[in-house]
Amino acid sequence: QSVLTQPPSVSGAAGQRVTISCTGSSSNIGAGYDVHWYQQFPGAAPKLLMYADTNRPSGVPGRFSGSKSGTSASLAITGLQAEDEADYYCQSYDSSLSGSVFGGGTKLTVL
Amino acid sequence: QLQLQESGPGLVKPSETLSLTCTVSGDSISSATYYWGWIRQPPGKGLEWIGSIYYSGRTYYNPSLKSRVTISVDTSKSQFSLKLNSVTAADTAIYYCARQNHKLWFGPGWGQGSLVTVSS
Repeated sequence: QSVLTQPPSVSGAAGQRVTISCTGSSSNIGAGYDVHWYQQFPGAAPKLLMYADTNRPSGVPGRFSGSKSGTSASLAITGLQAEDEADYYCQSYDSSLSGSVFGGGTKLTVL
Repeated sequence: QLQLQESGPGLVKPSETLSLTCTVSGDSISSATYYWGWIRQPPGKGLEWIGSIYYSGRTYYNPSLKSRVTISVDTSKSQFSLKLNSVTAADTAIYYCARQNHKLWFGPGWGQGSLVTVSS
């Protein structure tokens, strides 16, 4: 059971918009700690996709955006492309555990 | 360009100690801006933070693993290391090293991962 809860899977047709949620609690996201997102393709290491809630590293397309409200955060992908099919993980800091925590991951399928 | 490379045995026997080293190139491991972390991923499962270390040697561990984990740094070799003792089959995973920003995100810059299997 992960401290941060993500849906196991989401799907969307090419060109559509999908969102992936990341639900935490008052000791992590709700306490204002930053949320970060990673994209992982099969057989590869995770790649930083979004940092500090809403910031995209250089090279990440603008189709990806992040948001946070209350005890939850979301990753949105617009103009879905086949190459976006991957696993996505959220990460934050938890004050009760005094360490970094990850969500369980969400598998994105592009229909 | 920052590169991290994990190295160590791919097979460890139950009850023994798992040891991995991460070699950093393209950036100073003594940078005051970053931590250096270990994350693992059991086959087919999600990511788990193991622990992180600052260049000074200050460490931060996942409470669920703290009693079995030691992370150390050798700035002269630009390496940091992971030791996990008393391993069981549940410790079988891909182990990644990564640079961790002081705001606690990992990357850019992850190692490619090292699969460690615990089996007799």
